[in-house]
Amino acid sequence: AQSVTQPDIHITVSEGASLELRCNYSYGATPYLFWYVQSPGQGLQLLLKYFSGDTLVQGIKGFEAEFKRSQSSFNLRKPSVHWSDAAEYFCAAVGNTGKLIFGQGTTLQVKP
Amino acid sequence: DGGITQSPKYLFRKEGQNVTLSCEQNLNHDAMYWYRQDPGQGLRLIYYSQIVNDFQKGDIAEGYSVSREKKESFPLTVTSAQKNPTAFYLCASSTLLGGGYNEQFFGPGTRLTVL
Repeated sequence: AQSVTQPDIHITVSEGASLELRCNYSYGATPYLFWYVQSPGQGLQLLLKYFSGDTLVQGIKGFEAEFKRSQSSFNLRKPSVHWSDAAEYFCAAVGNTGKLIFGQGTTLQVKP
Repeated sequence: DGGITQSPKYLFRKEGQNVTLSCEQNLNHDAMYWYRQDPGQGLRLIYYSQIVNDFQKGDIAEGYSVSREKKESFPLTVTSAQKNPTAFYLCASSTLLGGGYNEQFFGPGTRLTVL
């Protein structure tokens, strides 16, 4: 079955440090890939998406992600984390059914 | 402002009672979706609808029902048959333009607690 895996349930980084959140997908073809952010008790906000073309995509709030077909990965990065980035992050992919498949989420904590 | 509204934000019900969660959108989107979110499990699709008066089951439809009488509205009923209804419920919508995938926009969610 198609799946999206976020290996890290919880990550803590210091403010100003760099961040990388991991995402792997299992799907034969190249899926549409997304990263969403969710603040506590809120809905999801789209950070960025990859459909095709340049494998390094830029998103909002200074985030970027790189699609690596050879590793079936779509990791999210930010060079310098701000305290306001503390939230839960979800990676998602559109499978061959046309539906969004979500990873389990990674909770980011930012230390002052 | 265009967007998706869900009400109420918090909902408490006694076990055995049916409860209906509201979802309204003014984005003129054709498709609407309901997801359930549990800690550590991401989001799982309950039901979705691509046109008025039509809807399809998602991955975890048992114990839930929906209706789509208007394009703007897609209410979800959590029935007494749902064995573990306490969760955070998210509604989303998207266009159906073009042949490819269209981005889903999410509402703020409703947290349902069954006592």
